[in-house]
Amino acid sequence: DAGITQSPRYKITETGRQVTLMCHQTWSHSYMFWYRQDLGHGLRLIYYSAAADITDKGEVPDGYVVSRSKTENFPLTLESATRSQTSVYFCASSERIGWGYTFGSGTRLTVV
Amino acid sequence: GNSVTQMEGPVTLSEEAFLTINCTYTATGYPSLFWYVQYPGEGLQLLLKATKADDKGSNKGFEATYRKETTSFHLEKGSVQVSDSAVYFCALSVGNSGGYQKVTFGTGTKLQVIP
Repeated sequence: DAGITQSPRYKITETGRQVTLMCHQTWSHSYMFWYRQDLGHGLRLIYYSAAADITDKGEVPDGYVVSRSKTENFPLTLESATRSQTSVYFCASSERIGWGYTFGSGTRLTVV
Repeated sequence: GNSVTQMEGPVTLSEEAFLTINCTYTATGYPSLFWYVQYPGEGLQLLLKATKADDKGSNKGFEATYRKETTSFHLEKGSVQVSDSAVYFCALSVGNSGGYQKVTFGTGTKLQVIP
């Protein structure tokens, strides 16, 4: 199916563990983004990518790592999960700047 | 810096009522403006957009007009349905020197429509 898919949909992990959230899009959009959504903070940009092998930090990058070896994939890794990283994570893509984003359905991550 | 201010929710309306969700913004440069909708358990969906002053974005009965003089982009719908119950986000994007257009989201307004 065409679109942007995130996996897993739900994840529970322990403090200190490494966890990777996956994001895959089928349109070959150049731009991809990772956001976290928290009550009281709204949506905050973690990392973004303008093309394969081009990534840059957003507002809240600490504790996260991204890679983009292929245009269609943009995984987000929490190197050593902390409770403060409990959140809903959204991946998004955009074909062109200013055209608006298409969001995935999100991954609800709980760090215990 | 850039910012988006939305009216506080939740907003509760009866079916077929008129909806207005206020959105004002501050931006350096000339922003594009967006409304997104988020249904429970889902990601945000682009609802409508406007890229220059006096443009009107519209979709699914929703409308918003880009008002540069009042720096506003209020969302309106003439007759809401129960299926419109969701959280609505106003957003803007402005280019920066690196070529990336940073998007700033409002905090969202929850709409509940009762039969």
